Order: sequence, then structure tokens, then C-alpha cells
Amino acid sequence: DAKTTQPTSMDCAEGRAANLPCNHSTISGNEYVYWYRQIHSQGPQYIIHGLKNNETNEMASLIITEDRKSSTLILPHATLRDTAVYYCIVRPPQAGTALIFGKGTTLSVSS
Amino acid sequence: EPEVTQTPSHQVTQMGQEVILRCVPISNHLYFYWYRQILGQKVEFLVSFYNNEISEKSEIFDDQFSVERPDGSNFTLKIRSTKLEDSAMYFCASSERAITEAFFGQGTRLTVV
Repeated sequence: DAKTTQPTSMDCAEGRAANLPCNHSTISGNEYVYWYRQIHSQGPQYIIHGLKNNETNEMASLIITEDRKSSTLILPHATLRDTAVYYCIVRPPQAGTALIFGKGTTLSVSS
Repeated sequence: EPEVTQTPSHQVTQMGQEVILRCVPISNHLYFYWYRQILGQKVEFLVSFYNNEISEKSEIFDDQFSVERPDGSNFTLKIRSTKLEDSAMYFCASSERAITEAFFGQGTRLTVV
């Protein structure tokens, strides 16, 4: 089972920042936090991942709390194309360890 | 940009038949995965493969399933005797290292009739 808790759904206005929370209170010291999204029935798309420091790339920012028990994915300027299911996943670094998907958060971006 | 490619995009098969789903991972990647997603449900892990052997498998991945990397570029999932409940979207993924991101293909929709 997934070791994360996410809200079922969220809404965001186009052009505004979308902040998607994730609780992972049982995370272990060597587990990474990954974020993926799935648009319709396409293959999951990698967004970002981190261990303890905040991370930023061209798609999003990942803010991890100091105790690592929760994180927030930030899409700085949401567009209609960001409407998708967003998955927060914790995963140890061992070789071949699977990404275990939960139900994720359905983000709806509207104009 | 390199990508994971899967063929076919859609396959229809009769119950009891064998099917082989094909994937070409990104060329320098060493870790390979299969997932499935039944319509309306979550993405489920099936199996991971590294160094020419299975690293991890889920309860779904029973004796009806097998994986192979036959020629150093393709990665295949075989279902020996398909059942109606095998109907799903099957996704292949690959990653360069254990902790790097996995990239997913666009999937093969398997319909068992």
C-alpha cells in the first residue's frame, strides 16, 4: 500500500499557483519523495523528486518539511494542461524498488 | 528527447491466448518495470528487472506472467493464458539508476474478449 496521504481533489484557477500537499509521516531516513502525474490514461509523467532539500526544476518546486513528514508540490503558474492526477510516492533507493502509486490528487485547473 | 516506446498501442486477444507486450526502454537505462492500470483504477506495480533478473514483483505477477530482455534493447511482458480480468493498460518504465526518475511509455491497451 502507498505510504502517503493526499487530498482526493483540488481546484486551481489558471495562472495561479497550485500547491499540492502530501503527508508521509512514516517516511524512513533514506526514502526519497517522488511526484508524478497522469493526464487522462497516458503514462505517468515524472515531475520532481527529493530527499531532504527543496528542489526546483522547469516544471515545479518541491518543498519538504524539516522533519520530512510532509511535502508540497508547487506548480507556479497552473495552466489547463496541468489538469491531471498527481501522485506523491515515497521510495527507498535500493535497486529496482518499485514506485507504488496511490490514488493521488485530481487537480482541476479552470479558466 | 529519449523516450520509452511500447508496441502495440492496442491489442485485442481471445481469452486463453498468449500475448507479448513489447517495450523499448531508454538506451542507457539499467532498470526496467512493468505496471498495469485497470480502467478507472490506480496504477499497479507488476515487476522490476535489473541485471537480467527480476528484482521485485507484486502479488499480481503470478506464474501466468513472465518478463524477458531478449536482445539487449527490448523488454517484454508475456501473459501465457489471458483472462478477462487481464484487460488493462500496461505501462513499461525504465530508469538509469536506482534512485533516478523512471520514465514511462504511453502504454499498451490490452483487451481480452
